[in-house]
Amino acid sequence: QVQLQESGPGLVKPSETLSLTCSVSGGSIRSYDWSWFRQPPGKGLEWIGHTYGGGSTKFNPSLKSRVTISLDTSKNQFSLRLSSVTAADTAVYFCAGGGGRDFDYWGQGTLVTVSS
Amino acid sequence: QSVLTQPPSVSAAPGQMVTITCSGSSSNIGNNYVSWYRHVPGTAPTLLIYENSKRPSGIPDRFSGSKSGTSATLGITGLQTGDEADYYCGTWDNSLSAGGFWVFGGGTKLTVL
Repeated sequence: QVQLQESGPGLVKPSETLSLTCSVSGGSIRSYDWSWFRQPPGKGLEWIGHTYGGGSTKFNPSLKSRVTISLDTSKNQFSLRLSSVTAADTAVYFCAGGGGRDFDYWGQGTLVTVSS
Repeated sequence: QSVLTQPPSVSAAPGQMVTITCSGSSSNIGNNYVSWYRHVPGTAPTLLIYENSKRPSGIPDRFSGSKSGTSATLGITGLQTGDEADYYCGTWDNSLSAGGFWVFGGGTKLTVL
């Protein structure tokens, strides 16, 4: 059973870069495609970006200029970097994965607060 | 503002049936499969329905999905208190200017009275 776990700082200062890692266990990161999502307080899920098993990426047009997603196959992890954060980026961030356009596997989420 | 539109909340009594709608457009629901996810805050979301109406292994047949035109519907029969959660629809959007991306609804909070 594939399991995902997000990790990273829970507090980031405005204008800095948010960095999160998703550790994948129970399966090879090369076998699936992976995405990051977020859920701002009181709002719904928002897709942030996606990395295919081969390494190519796709991003939410509204966040594209600030997002980087990368794979580390040696550690079976993938990561998210979101630059120039503001309070509007405060959210619970989820990593998710699957074999097509559905997300079969999800992490529990990690709260990231943007505040000075 | 979410691309897909869902009612903010629905409610029904235990044992009853409820439906949750998801409205989109020809660039998303109208030409792509719809998925449904269940999310209890503080836990990992779960895939409930994929390809409009298919259930992953382990999802009971109390959960069903359908699609017509640019709308999709999630149905839950035999409601249980454990079904209380937020439910999200999601699909691919073919908007050419963006090269395609995933879109989701704003979520529907199910209350089992």
